[in-house]
Amino acid sequence: QSALTQPPSASGSPGQSVTISCTGTSSDVGTYDHVSWYQQHPGKAPKLMIYDVSKRPSGVPDRFSGSKSGNTASLTVSGLQAEDEADYYCSSYAGHNNVVFGGGTKLTVL
Amino acid sequence: EVHLLESGGGLVQPGGSLRLSCAASGFTFASYAMSWVRQAPGKGLEWVSTIISTGGGTYYADSVKGRFTISRDNSNNALYLQMNSLRAEDTALYYCAKGPATVTTTCFDYWGQGILVTVSS
Repeated sequence: QSALTQPPSASGSPGQSVTISCTGTSSDVGTYDHVSWYQQHPGKAPKLMIYDVSKRPSGVPDRFSGSKSGNTASLTVSGLQAEDEADYYCSSYAGHNNVVFGGGTKLTVL
Repeated sequence: EVHLLESGGGLVQPGGSLRLSCAASGFTFASYAMSWVRQAPGKGLEWVSTIISTGGGTYYADSVKGRFTISRDNSNNALYLQMNSLRAEDTALYYCAKGPATVTTTCFDYWGQGILVTVSS
């Protein structure tokens, strides 16, 4: 149950796009199309932003999109807004009802 | 509206026990798998345990296996986490989280606000 690998930080100016990567292994990201992304503002609970690699829950802006290639998944935030500044965590299903998370990426809107 | 409210946290000595509860409302509790996810202070998220909708299947992270027990009471819309042999590294904010399906939890679509557990002498 090793954690997925995310960059510790990412940044972009308002209106720009930023992509956050999430690297796993053939036991999780590479095998299952069940990668999720969560947004967490300081002092708040995580919020599901993307599930099953690229699906958005109701109410999540279409500025948020997800993709996957091999053992690496990505979250892209387009048209960056000030309120997008938060910590972002990826997760992947790893079989037998096990879920593994990434270490998190702090997104700064410059 | 889905609402998850954790309780039962607090300060406990190493080797001690604590039981967390999560009161659920706003959805058909008995139809969904439920989980506990924790976050150590200033750290990332860590999946702890999942229980399927009927309570007939339970799953644990290696870090808590043999020490923690997850359970549920579908008649009272409640989820529990019994934590024994607690260690300093179990100190964290514990979140109750809802899964999107009956058996398999591939993501967590709703989260509680979390309850703090501190293990210290």
